[in-house]
Amino acid sequence: QVQLQESGPGLVKPSQTLSLTCTVSGDYITGGYYYWSWIRQPPGKGLDWIGYISYSGSTYYNPSLDSRVTVSVDGSKNQFSLKLTSVTAADTAVYYCVRETYDYKSGSYSKYFDPWGQGTLVTVSS
Amino acid sequence: QSVLTQPPSVSAAPGQKVTISCSGSSSNIGNNYVSWYQQLPGTAPKLLIYDNSMRPSGIPDRFSGSKSGTSATLDITGLQTGDEADYFCGAWESSLSTVIFGGGTKLTVL
Repeated sequence: QVQLQESGPGLVKPSQTLSLTCTVSGDYITGGYYYWSWIRQPPGKGLDWIGYISYSGSTYYNPSLDSRVTVSVDGSKNQFSLKLTSVTAADTAVYYCVRETYDYKSGSYSKYFDPWGQGTLVTVSS
Repeated sequence: QSVLTQPPSVSAAPGQKVTISCSGSSSNIGNNYVSWYQQLPGTAPKLLIYDNSMRPSGIPDRFSGSKSGTSATLDITGLQTGDEADYFCGAWESSLSTVIFGGGTKLTVL
């Protein structure tokens, strides 16, 4: 079955760059059809969609984070990565990598996320 | 930004049925598909329902979803103690061009 696993530092200093990598097994990132996304969840709070990279390498980010986010892919390692610049305490969260299914049908958008990685807590603190 | 509104908590006894609501607007639920996720304590969310009412393989038919106008509903029948979790709804928000989620509903099985 498809599995995703996040990796990266658990502690980042304010104003620095948060960098995480997601390793995918059981599917090929560049194989087609799916998008590969990042979603975060601040402690005790709800879910916040960050953005995706598609199988073709195109990207789309949450407009509220667009100026600070970059998602990239390394097809040779079947990994995709997240970089978030100029972090503050508000960026402290559990970060999940997920496979996103997208469709546009009958004039409506369908987007859902499955499966999810186990998540990794990133704390922004000096 | 939780543009989708969910009750903070619901509760019911084992074996009973519970309904979790997700209220939005024409720019999200009203014109796009809804998904639902279950987050057991200390774990990652898991997809329960997609495209308003479709269940992925492996999800029991005790879980069902529906949509009417600008609201969606998740029904769970035959409640089990293992269903205690946070439940989130999600949809595309056309005015913001982003995916949004509800604030989550904590289900307690008494």
